[in-house]
Amino acid sequence: SSKLTQDPVVSVALGQTVRIICQGDSLRSYYPSWYRQKPGQAPSLVIYGQNNRPSGIPDRFSGSIIGNTASLTISGTQAEDEADYYCASRDNSGDLPDVVFGGGTKLTVL
Amino acid sequence: QVQLQQWGAGLLNPSETLSLTCAVYGGSLSGHYWSWIRQSPGKGLEWIGEIDHTGSTNYKPSLKSRVTISIDTSKSQFSLKLSSVTAADTAVYYCARHCTGFHDNVRWFDPWGQGTRVTVSS
Repeated sequence: SSKLTQDPVVSVALGQTVRIICQGDSLRSYYPSWYRQKPGQAPSLVIYGQNNRPSGIPDRFSGSIIGNTASLTISGTQAEDEADYYCASRDNSGDLPDVVFGGGTKLTVL
Repeated sequence: QVQLQQWGAGLLNPSETLSLTCAVYGGSLSGHYWSWIRQSPGKGLEWIGEIDHTGSTNYKPSLKSRVTISIDTSKSQFSLKLSSVTAADTAVYYCARHCTGFHDNVRWFDPWGQGTRVTVSS
């Protein structure tokens, strides 16, 4: 199956803009979804499709994709945005349908 | 809004069968796949498999031989069984709704259950 690659750790100054990257061949066929996970909590959806936010997610979160590289951008990063972020996509590279997750990016807000 | 609540045994011996159930509240089982996802300690997320309201399933190829996902539409519940567990199956297990957009290439998991910590140890 395909893999999705993320930088393990990213840091950003409070109030600044940060981009979290996800790369993988499956992204050429399927849009990614992005999840935020805080310690001790279940993951929760922040972005899906080309750039769709579920209700309750502030508009400082946005998504984009070019080729096999997807980005989650947080503008005006807040302290509460510190969390682990995961990307995911469907994968049709094998004989059977599969879903792959990135290894996650730990976002530190300085 | 749809909410998921899950439960199951949290401590297993090696070679036993893991069994978890997820109840769906506030919505219909129709129109979506219902997934199981796990997260090993300190590691990332791994999709295990999914089922729709008709009982059609998809399983992660590497786990397919040990996984069975079933559904009880009368109770709005779906379940996971993972046989012959080892320490490598120690993880927090989540249930989640797998949604599809207008186009099939747009998919996402929302909402998620609260998670069940499963430890495999002798």
